[in-house]
Amino acid sequence: DGGITQSPKYLFRKEGQNVTLSCEQNLNHDAMYWYRQDPGQGLRLIYYSQIVNDFQKGDIAEGYSVSREKKESFPLTVTSAQKNPTAFYLCASSTGYNEQFFGPGTRLTVL
Amino acid sequence: DAKTTQPPSMDCAEGRAANLPCNHSTISGNEYVYWYRQIHSQGPQYIIHGLKNNETNEMASLIITEDRKSSTLILPHATLRDTAVYYCIVRGGFMNYGGATNKLIFGTGTLLAVQP
Repeated sequence: DGGITQSPKYLFRKEGQNVTLSCEQNLNHDAMYWYRQDPGQGLRLIYYSQIVNDFQKGDIAEGYSVSREKKESFPLTVTSAQKNPTAFYLCASSTGYNEQFFGPGTRLTVL
Repeated sequence: DAKTTQPPSMDCAEGRAANLPCNHSTISGNEYVYWYRQIHSQGPQYIIHGLKNNETNEMASLIITEDRKSSTLILPHATLRDTAVYYCIVRGGFMNYGGATNKLIFGTGTLLAVQP
């Protein structure tokens, strides 16, 4: 089945630690995105990548980093510089200008 | 991207049509209207999009007013599984290398509660 997978579903980290969230897609999509969602709020764009080896900052990139070494993969690292990292993180992909398909999300909690 | 305005919540009886309004009075000529929905604790799901003509697919219908300043998403026979937050998004109709126009700007959406 084609789709987007995110792992893990739930993630706990201690304050001051970096953590990497996985996002993989087998839809052959060129573009991939990372969003953050806080309770009762809409999604906000963290980073996006239109092609391999290239990515752009979104609206709230501070404290996050990404890489795009393979078309299928777009991991997101939440660094210790992110002041309030507890949130629901969503990855999406699209081909060209078509609609974005979303993964199931990772819920990150900082203890 | 144009800003959208949606009611925070709506109720609908199971089996009846759910009509979700969206105001996008500042929409420009090349911007599309997109609808997504998000069931609790899941990723958003694409529903439908349109430019100026009405659109229909297996999930819903999209009615866009002639002046394009507002639209309505119609779920013809709502079921309990349609309970979700529905997002109306306006997005540019072209893509550049930077990809900026591929951004989806989500508001807080409308929480549709389908009642048995």
